[in-house]
Parts: sequence; structure tokens; C-alpha cells
Amino acid sequence: QLVLTQSPSASASLGASVKLTCTLSSGHSSYAIAWHQQQPEKGPRYLMKLNSDGSHSKGDGIPDRFSGSSSGAERYLTISSLQSEDEADYYCQTWGTGIGVFGGGTKLTVL
Amino acid sequence: EVQLVESGGGLVQPGGSLRLSCAASGFTVSSNYMSWVRQAPGKGLEWVSVIYSGGSTYYADSVKGRFTISRDNSKNTLYLQMNSLRAEDTAVYYCARTPGDYGSDLYYMDVWGKGTTVTVSS
Repeated sequence: QLVLTQSPSASASLGASVKLTCTLSSGHSSYAIAWHQQQPEKGPRYLMKLNSDGSHSKGDGIPDRFSGSSSGAERYLTISSLQSEDEADYYCQTWGTGIGVFGGGTKLTVL
Repeated sequence: EVQLVESGGGLVQPGGSLRLSCAASGFTVSSNYMSWVRQAPGKGLEWVSVIYSGGSTYYADSVKGRFTISRDNSKNTLYLQMNSLRAEDTAVYYCARTPGDYGSDLYYMDVWGKGTTVTVSS
């Protein structure tokens, strides 16, 4: 079964960097994913798609502070030079046969 | 400008029906895969349904047999017909354009609407 696992929460200081992790279930380590951001009381926003080899392509207007990388079954979202507006929920998402799959989301707190 | 605007949400009693609409601008709905995604209060995102450009439709197990996704090409609008509604269907419903990355078989939501709220309660 295709499942994405994310830590429920993360925190980092203003101006620092943070790396969020999304883990693909066994047998699905080659899958590409997408990252989405949801700021408080807003709809989701597409950030980037991320392949198993770490290559990634960001959505329009996404700052260079956002980057992606991969290792095995893990997909990462790194945010550098954290700003207050980066405080949000971050979801990874992939696709099975005819179905979309979301991770449970990580709530990022900027200290 | 590429944009999606949902409407049709509201308060409905358990067992009732509701039809959500998603009006698109800046692109053609029928040329794209289009998804519905929902978010229950305080919970994460849950994929609900997709309609392919060719017309095939797929549903999450939680809504299969109760919800129907469709589109009106002349109105460039996506719909979600929701029947036999339950309390657990209470959520904000988002529509999203869902293009494919053919090199990786990934389909992903690249444009999202702001959502419409559905509350199922007596």
C-alpha cells in the first residue's frame, strides 16, 4: 500500500534552515512526490515536484530558499533563511494507480 | 491568470445531497486532469476524486458510490455531486488542476482553489 509518512511537527529559528522529511512506504522508493504549503487559514499552494534522483522543479514564484532532495525512500524539503511567513503546514503528495495520496503533514513553527 | 473558484458549499443534513462547482479561468478544464481534495476541520489533506482529460474517473474508497465527479466543457467548470452525505464528509473542499509529469508518472496539484465549506449536521 502506497503511504507517505511525515513527522507531525518541526520547529526552527527565524533566519535558520530546516529540513522536512517525507518517507515513502516499502516498495515505492522510486516514486516522485510533490510538496505543498498551507499557511494558516489559507488554501494549499504547490511548491515543487521532486524526483527520486533529487532533481526538482518548483512552481511559479517559489523563492530560491525552498529546495528539494532525495535519498532512498526519503524525500526532503529544505527551507533556508526561514521567515515568519514560512510558518505553515507542509504536505507531501504522490500518485498511485488512479489515486492521489497525501502525507499527514508537518506543522512548521518558526521561533 | 490561471484561477479556480469553488462554490456550492453549505449546511446539509445527514443523508442529503450537495453539488459543488469549480469554475476555471486561464486554462481548459477538459484538457487537464482535475481533482477534488478535502480537509476536515483540524485535519490534513485527503484526496477525494479525479477526472482524467479522457473522461475516466476515480474515487477514494471513503466516497466511492456516493460522490460523482464531472465537468461541463462549455462552462469550463468541474463539479462534485455528493449524495448520502455523512457527518465525516464535513470539510473544506478544494479543486485542483492535476497535471502529469510523464517522466516520473507523478500527477500533482499545481493550481488550487480557495475552497468551499461543506457542513453535514442535523
